[in-house]
Amino acid sequence: EVQLLESGGDLVQPGGSLRLSCLGSGFSLRKFAINWVRQAPGKGLEWVSLMSDGGNNISYADSVKGRFSISSDNSKNMVFLQMTSLRADDTAVYYCARGPIPGATFYFDPWGQGTLVTVSS
Amino acid sequence: QSVLTQPPSVSAAPGQKVTISCSGSTSNIGNNCVSWYQQLPGTAPKLLLYDNNMRPSGIPDRFSGSKSGTSATLGITGLQTGDEADYYCGTWDNRSSVFVFGGGTQLTVL
Repeated sequence: EVQLLESGGDLVQPGGSLRLSCLGSGFSLRKFAINWVRQAPGKGLEWVSLMSDGGNNISYADSVKGRFSISSDNSKNMVFLQMTSLRADDTAVYYCARGPIPGATFYFDPWGQGTLVTVSS
Repeated sequence: QSVLTQPPSVSAAPGQKVTISCSGSTSNIGNNCVSWYQQLPGTAPKLLLYDNNMRPSGIPDRFSGSKSGTSATLGITGLQTGDEADYYCGTWDNRSSVFVFGGGTQLTVL
């Protein structure tokens, strides 16, 4: 079964850092576009970042550019989201979601269960 | 404010039909396929439709999608109480090179 499992969410102070992990099972992450999508409490979905083409294609939302960094460990079938200079408005559930293989249309399936990041003093 | 515009809420009685609109522009919906996601209370989003109107395995044919120009529509027939959820449309935006979502529509089955 194709699954994604996030971990690493925590309570962190403003200005702090945190690394989220996304473990894939049932497929090879490096063959797909792996995305991070977040959802602030009571709000809608916001795309955050993607890594595709074996790491040769990386993209970020303007709201996190320069503060967040996506990376992978293919030997562990994992993707990471390193978050620095965290702000209160980064508070959200962070989902890992599988995107397309190169050349295919863009949609997310499946999604992980999410991990909660809370930025507060 | 979301790049794609959805109504905040819709409602209908069990057994009835409802449609949810998603309005964008030529930089997103007008030139890319639309996907739809269902988020039941307290759970992660789930893919409902992709490529404008394609259903993944396991999604009943009560759910349908269409696209015309810079707008897309999700239709749900034979409403059930279990369909109560938030529904999001999404697509790639060529101008900003990011994936964009609608603000979400809360469906209430009265």
